[in-house]
Amino acid sequence: DAGVIQSPRHEVTEMGQEVTLRCKPISGHNSLFWYRQTMMRGLELLIYFNNNVPIDDSGMPEDRFSAKMPNASFSTLKIQPSEPRDSAVYFCASSLSGVGGYTFGSGTRLTVV
Amino acid sequence: AQRVTQPEKLLSVFKGAPVELKCNYSYSGSPELFWYVQYSRQRLQLLLRHISRESIKGFTADLNKGETSFHLKKPFAQEEDSAMYYCALGRGGGADGLTFGKGTHLIIQP
Repeated sequence: DAGVIQSPRHEVTEMGQEVTLRCKPISGHNSLFWYRQTMMRGLELLIYFNNNVPIDDSGMPEDRFSAKMPNASFSTLKIQPSEPRDSAVYFCASSLSGVGGYTFGSGTRLTVV
Repeated sequence: AQRVTQPEKLLSVFKGAPVELKCNYSYSGSPELFWYVQYSRQRLQLLLRHISRESIKGFTADLNKGETSFHLKKPFAQEEDSAMYYCALGRGGGADGLTFGKGTHLIIQP
């Protein structure tokens, strides 16, 4: 397995534009998590899915953020409109109900100018 | 509420010296604890978890429920150990994601 795959690796966009981050979890994993990493706040859990269903989105900072998981092999995190304070590294992770820990993707480094 | 505290933002030690990265947690249930490592601009990698009680790359960590601690230790630091280290607590018994500490940047000096 190629692990958790995220795209793009880097994204630079202008304030106000829509940004879509993508994640492909490990095949067979039934849980998917989106994290945001910043210098100030460290790693924060934004939202997670179990069997494609959103379970807890209390970490999503505002309505500008939305996430979907249309099937077991794909998830998106969308920011619309983007703002400079959204600049961060966004990580996706997957797990089999927590058994064996969590596997992280390489992250998407987002810069909003 | 769950909380993970890593009191040191930065820890610098010389090669060959012992290393201890501190982690304290706050959780009312039975904790499941992890250490993750992040080398420069790379993905987070699982280093070890308390349930497996294994040693990876010479690192060990013991869960001390009395002190609510899960400190990471290595007897002899190597230069390749330089990285960010994150202590994490499993939410909901481990199946609902992780609550991370702020991380400790470990620098091993030659």
